[in-house]
Amino acid sequence: KAGVTQTPRYLIKTRGQQVTLSCSPISGHRSVSWYQQTPGQGLQFLFEYFSETQRNKGNFPGRFSGRQFSNSRSEMNVSTLELGDSALYLCASSLADEQFFGPGTRLTVL
Amino acid sequence: AQSVTQLGSHVSVSEGALVLLRCNYSSSVPPYLFWYVQYPNQGLQLLLKYTTGATLVKGINGFEAEFKKSETSFHLTKPSAHMSDAAEYFCAVISSNDYKLSFGAGTTVTVRA
Repeated sequence: KAGVTQTPRYLIKTRGQQVTLSCSPISGHRSVSWYQQTPGQGLQFLFEYFSETQRNKGNFPGRFSGRQFSNSRSEMNVSTLELGDSALYLCASSLADEQFFGPGTRLTVL
Repeated sequence: AQSVTQLGSHVSVSEGALVLLRCNYSSSVPPYLFWYVQYPNQGLQLLLKYTTGATLVKGINGFEAEFKKSETSFHLTKPSAHMSDAAEYFCAVISSNDYKLSFGAGTTVTVRA
């Protein structure tokens, strides 16, 4: 069974731009969660989607948004990028209590 | 709300020595507890988890952890460290009525030859 895939793996943007990251969950998994990982703040929960509905949200500004499609694939969007948005963005899919993580997208904002 | 605290941001052990990583949790409802490992430039891989039942949990790569409710702890151990154990380890908690993982700050393990 294929694991969680994330595209792209690496991304470089400049301040003020917007970015869209994609996550394909494990087949059959309906829940997708997103996390931001930085050296200073560690791993922080962004949001979780289940059956195309946002079920949980972390404490991030409205510039961070997401959505989930009918095939459970998910995207997250960050608008008006700031230098502090540079991070590894991890996606995880789950069927029950266990979350399976993708390799992440490394976003660098210049 | 639930949270975890990992004691020690860096641990250095000799190859063949015991690995002990400490994790204490705070949760208002029965917690589900996890240990994840992250190798450089990779995502997180689940080592083991505790949900209900047996309090001593065995995971992959020879790791195990014991859930101690009285001490609110979930420490990770491995009897004999291997060079391949060098990585960053994260303890995490999720409450039974929530779906978001709360992670500890992580512990970086280095293994000396």
